[in-house]
Amino acid sequence: TQLLEQSPQFLSIQEGENLTVYCNSSSVFSSLQWYRQEPGEGPVLLVTVVTGGEVKKLKRLTFQFGDARKDSSLHITAAQPGDTGLYLCAGDGGWGKLQFGAGTQVVVTP
Amino acid sequence: GEEVAQTPKHLVRGEGQKAKLYCAPIKGHSYVFWYQQVLKNEFKFLISFQNENVFDETGMPKERFSAKCLPNSPCSLEIQATKLEDSAVYFCASSQFLTSGTTGELFFGEGSRLTVL
Repeated sequence: TQLLEQSPQFLSIQEGENLTVYCNSSSVFSSLQWYRQEPGEGPVLLVTVVTGGEVKKLKRLTFQFGDARKDSSLHITAAQPGDTGLYLCAGDGGWGKLQFGAGTQVVVTP
Repeated sequence: GEEVAQTPKHLVRGEGQKAKLYCAPIKGHSYVFWYQQVLKNEFKFLISFQNENVFDETGMPKERFSAKCLPNSPCSLEIQATKLEDSAVYFCASSQFLTSGTTGELFFGEGSRLTVL
């Protein structure tokens, strides 16, 4: 059973469009991490959000952590084909024990 | 090395056979983790090590699965008598620091895909 629900499961958009991926949980986490995974590779950490209400920006990517530290979102502005990948959120259970969502597959076509 | 190295990349086993996977963490990282990624991208934590000591093994199946991290050797994950449901990609990750609070960055290897026929 996934403690973290990600939506949507799949997102296909044109280059230049914006997109938002959501990560929701019934549990409170001390922090939440977002990863991107490409085929045949392991997940790569994009950002860690720690404080409720926190907003972090990484170039065209904006990450938000909900006030209650149960949910998070990832917004990509002006998506590019290089943004294509599987985006995973992971709740931090402490001591390196991450609880992953099922991921959102994002496809950006030129 | 500067990246987590996992071998083999692919492994095919008949049901009931043994499977052994290897992981060399990033040099200087004291913590090693094994995760299992099954269908629909579900990641499951298996076990973590602090150097050669088991740190948390709460995710390891009680039977058939074992893991070791011995000095001067790659870490290993071994599955005795594999079953069809063991088919998955097994990821190793390493980390330099670890606390009870916020987990530091985990660096993942490329994974080992195990197919049990």
